[in-house]
Amino acid sequence: DAGVIQSPRHEVTEMGQEVTLRCKPISGHNSLFWYRQTMMRGLELLIYFNNNVPIDDSGMPEDRFSAKMPNASFSTLKIQPSEPRDSAVYFCASRGGNFQETQYFGPGTRLLVL
Amino acid sequence: DAKTTQPNSMESNEEEPVHLPCNHSTISGTDYIHWYRQLPSQGPEYVIHGLTSNVNNRMASLAIAEDRKSSTLILHRATLRDAAVYYCILLGGTSYGKLTFGQGTILTVHP
Repeated sequence: DAGVIQSPRHEVTEMGQEVTLRCKPISGHNSLFWYRQTMMRGLELLIYFNNNVPIDDSGMPEDRFSAKMPNASFSTLKIQPSEPRDSAVYFCASRGGNFQETQYFGPGTRLLVL
Repeated sequence: DAKTTQPNSMESNEEEPVHLPCNHSTISGTDYIHWYRQLPSQGPEYVIHGLTSNVNNRMASLAIAEDRKSSTLILHRATLRDAAVYYCILLGGTSYGKLTFGQGTILTVHP
């Protein structure tokens, strides 16, 4: 099992550009989470999908952020337009079964917005 | 959500046991206690979880106080690879498994 796959691993872009982060969850998992980690705010949940449906997006910072899960094996997190304060490490995690099951995290995408 | 309190940092020597404490005085009866850790430049990884009884797995042991208001993660023989940030998280039935990360405990392991 390859685990949770994220791409790209590193992204450097200029303010105002569109950024798309990608995630492939572990096969068979029905829940997917996007987290963001910064020095100031630590690790925070952005959005949670269950069976490809967004359940809780209360952590999404603002309208510039959007996330989709068109099928069980792929999700995207898009930032448009990007701003320097969006610089962070973005993690995707997936989980199978009920809420007590383990969440498996990907390696993260390190985003730098200049 | 019930909150947890952990020391900011702890230090240990290699091959010695490490006891990482966590206080959760407002824990509810249905809250599970989960521990995750984050190695440098990696995503968090699951360590162990429990409800009432002490738990053991290949990575660690979890000791839960009888009143469940505190717990301790035990690494029996710390290695340099165990240097990480350790997070104690409560998961309740109404949270759909949302992990709320606090600041965690930074564990330093000395050779």
